[in-house]
Amino acid sequence: DAGITQSPRYKITETGRQVTLMCHQTWSHSYMFWYRQDLGHGLRLIYYSAAADITDKGEVPDGYVVSRSKTENFPLTLESATRSQTSVYFCASSESTLLAVTGELFFGEGSRLTVL
Amino acid sequence: QKEVEQDPGPLSVPEGAIVSLNCTYSNSAFQYFMWYRQYSRKGPELLMYTYSSGNKEDGRFTAQVDKSSKYISLFIRDSQPSDSATYLCAMSETTSGTYKYIFGTGTRLKVLA
Repeated sequence: DAGITQSPRYKITETGRQVTLMCHQTWSHSYMFWYRQDLGHGLRLIYYSAAADITDKGEVPDGYVVSRSKTENFPLTLESATRSQTSVYFCASSESTLLAVTGELFFGEGSRLTVL
Repeated sequence: QKEVEQDPGPLSVPEGAIVSLNCTYSNSAFQYFMWYRQYSRKGPELLMYTYSSGNKEDGRFTAQVDKSSKYISLFIRDSQPSDSATYLCAMSETTSGTYKYIFGTGTRLKVLA
């Protein structure tokens, strides 16, 4: 089905472990984003990518790594998970126009991560 | 101070009521103003999109932007139980040379049948 899919939807891990959250979109959107959503903070941008092999930091990038070797995939890795990274993670994409940064964001259904 | 402030609620209203949701912001460079709706355990979906000041209407929903007061609103007329969700405001600008698309914390709305 067309859209943006995230996996896994639920993940429990332990402090210090590496975790990778996957994101795949079928629209060929140029822009892709990773947000985390926490009570009291709302959605905060972790990293974004304007195109394959182009990534940039958002508001809360520390402890996260991203890559974008293919337009359709944008994995997010927590290299050494901490309890403060317990959150709901949303991947999003946006159409590739000059106004892409202002346009509609299409979100996945989220990955709920718990770090024990 | 956060760039975007939004009352978290929760807000409970009876079916048929008019709902007013609001956000304030501090960055005068914001040019684009959005409202997203997020159902429980789902990703946000765009509801309304407005450029600069003014009103925009779409069915039962009206988005209002007052740039002079740095205040945006979403009005829902004849509210329905299916409107029960979290509503997030979002704002963006491109003048700073870097990507900036900021969300409010969201207001939880419950419409009672």
